[in-house]
Amino acid sequence: EVQLVESGGGLVQPGGSLRLSCAASGFTFSSYSMNWVRQAPGKGLEWVSYISSSGSTIYYADSVKGRFTISRDNAENSLFLQMNSLRDEDTAVYYCARGIAAPGRRYFDYWGQGTLVTVSS
Amino acid sequence: EIVLTQSPGTLSLSPGERATLSCRASQSVGSSYLAWYQQKPGQAPRLLIYGASSRATGIPDRFSGSGSGTDFTLTISRLEPEDFAVYYCHQYGTSPPYTFGQGTKLEIK
Repeated sequence: EVQLVESGGGLVQPGGSLRLSCAASGFTFSSYSMNWVRQAPGKGLEWVSYISSSGSTIYYADSVKGRFTISRDNAENSLFLQMNSLRDEDTAVYYCARGIAAPGRRYFDYWGQGTLVTVSS
Repeated sequence: EIVLTQSPGTLSLSPGERATLSCRASQSVGSSYLAWYQQKPGQAPRLLIYGASSRATGIPDRFSGSGSGTDFTLTISRLEPEDFAVYYCHQYGTSPPYTFGQGTKLEIK
């Protein structure tokens, strides 16, 4: 059974840092690209960052570029999001999501349950 | 950046009725890259439709997707009580950002 379990969320002051983790199990982690998606309270979904299966290709949303860093450890089946210079508007539930990219089909098929990040003084 | 606009924002229907949700893209989206997700309160999104029209594993056949180019539709043929939720379209093309629509809330009338 595919499982994605996020951790590391919490309350942090503006300007602070936080590191999120996503533990993957039930599939060959190193074969899949991964993404972080966030959802502010009462709002819609916002894609945050992408990392390829090997970690060689990385993308960020403009809203987090230069402040957030995505990484992965394929030996440990883990995905990370280092978040620096946090702002009030980064307050959200952060989900990790597995990406499928095959001929004729691209989508996020499995999502974790999310971890809440609250940026507030 | 491809902007996805969903309509209506809220749809009020009764169980047994047909629901039609729209997703319009600001520029053409390859059908392979368009997906639909369902989200219930306090839960993660769940994949319903990928490739614009293919149902994900375990999704009932009352859910169907259609469309191409800039106009896509999610149809629920006969609403069940568990179908009342928020629905998002999503494009996961070959270039970021991988945008979502703002969502359509399907509520019980």
